[in-house]
Amino acid sequence: EIVMTQSPATLSVSPGERATLSCRASQSVSSNLAWYQQKPGQAPRLLIYGASTRATGIPPRFSGSGSGTEFTLTISSLQSEDFAVYYCQQYNNWPLLFGPGTKVDIK
Amino acid sequence: VQLLESGGGLVQPGGSRRLSCAASGFTFSIYGMSWVRQAPGKGLEWVSAISGSGGSTYYADSVKGRFTISRDNSKNTLYLQMNSLRAEDTAVYYCAKDLATEGTPHEYWGQGTLVTVSS
Repeated sequence: EIVMTQSPATLSVSPGERATLSCRASQSVSSNLAWYQQKPGQAPRLLIYGASTRATGIPPRFSGSGSGTEFTLTISSLQSEDFAVYYCQQYNNWPLLFGPGTKVDIK
Repeated sequence: VQLLESGGGLVQPGGSRRLSCAASGFTFSIYGMSWVRQAPGKGLEWVSAISGSGGSTYYADSVKGRFTISRDNSKNTLYLQMNSLRAEDTAVYYCAKDLATEGTPHEYWGQGTLVTVSS
């Protein structure tokens, strides 16, 4: 079974700064990688699928890259509403698997 | 798109519970649907998925043989029958509409329903 890891576990960033989050799969998932954002008390929201395609309504400051086993989510200039937990998910194989998450908090 | 889960609550270990998810705002029968759960203070765990027709189902190893996903396309409703419940099944259960077929990312999510397994 594939294992998903994310780093760092917590990322402290100042508003307006760039944030770079990493996700790694233990074996290739091709480009079948999605990113989600979750704020406290809310359901997750799909940000990116196909490793780099933004979901409907997602602002262009969010971008995804990578393929195979190494993936990156970049938030170009953090806004106050971007402080949240971010999860990656592989959907190349069953079972679908989420990473453990990266919490982005205010520096 | 709206997804409204119901059926959560307190259940004893070994007991059963059926969750429902009423869907609206899209053509329910042509999309895969999923259940995803989140234990208190923990991360997301994919639980189960079903094809648009209901003919194909998939499960996480942690629930295989205990949970059953199903759908009624005439009622635009998704279900999760949970049997032999354990304390570790305590979580908020989210219903999600998949982007396309089953096994694609979860495009829309409900607000979740809390299942607590405790004596």
